[in-house]
Amino acid sequence: QVQLQESGPGLVKPSQTLSLTCTVSGGSISSGDYYWSWIRQPPGKGLEWIGYIYYSGSTYYNPSLKSRVTISVDTSKNQFSLKLSSVTAADTAVYYCARGVSDYVPHFDYWGQGTLVTVSS
Amino acid sequence: EIVLTQSPATLSLSPGERATLSCRASQSVSSYLAWYQQKPGQAPRLLIYDASNRATGIPARFSGSGSGTDFTLTISSLEPEDFAVYYCQQRSNWPLPTFGPGTKVDIK
Repeated sequence: QVQLQESGPGLVKPSQTLSLTCTVSGGSISSGDYYWSWIRQPPGKGLEWIGYIYYSGSTYYNPSLKSRVTISVDTSKNQFSLKLSSVTAADTAVYYCARGVSDYVPHFDYWGQGTLVTVSS
Repeated sequence: EIVLTQSPATLSLSPGERATLSCRASQSVSSYLAWYQQKPGQAPRLLIYDASNRATGIPARFSGSGSGTDFTLTISSLEPEDFAVYYCQQRSNWPLPTFGPGTKVDIK
């Protein structure tokens, strides 16, 4: 059973960089055709895809966030990470990591529990 | 970007009733549509993928149908644990998956 767990600061100041890590257990992050993904949900709102890193290392980002987002992977630790720069209050959200699966754009079959990140001074 | 709309925004039903949720895409997504259930304080859970395939462990009372631009999620007989928010997601537009705004199913 694959499990994902987000970790990182719950409070980030405006203009700083949000950094989160997702630890994957129950399977290797470098095996299989998976898209290791970040998705966020502002309080009381819907879901927004941020980006993903393919098992091969290729990255894909939401065009609306592309200039501020970096996703990377550390296979030795079975982790992948999100960095979002120049944050504002609009970036306050629950951030989920998820496993994407398919032969094309993925759907998401395993999710972390989510972590709330608040942007405030 | 493919935009998904969901209707109704809220569906008020009683346990045992049938729930029919709609998702419409701004352009054809073929059968590349998934449905998720989200309960308060929890992550979304995959219910249906590729329009009509139940994910692992999902009860048979959940079914999906449709293709092109119009899709339906049906819950044949609502159980108390089914009251939640339901999202659709398209995976047709490389590389950008998008989600609908959600339908809340609440207790009448």
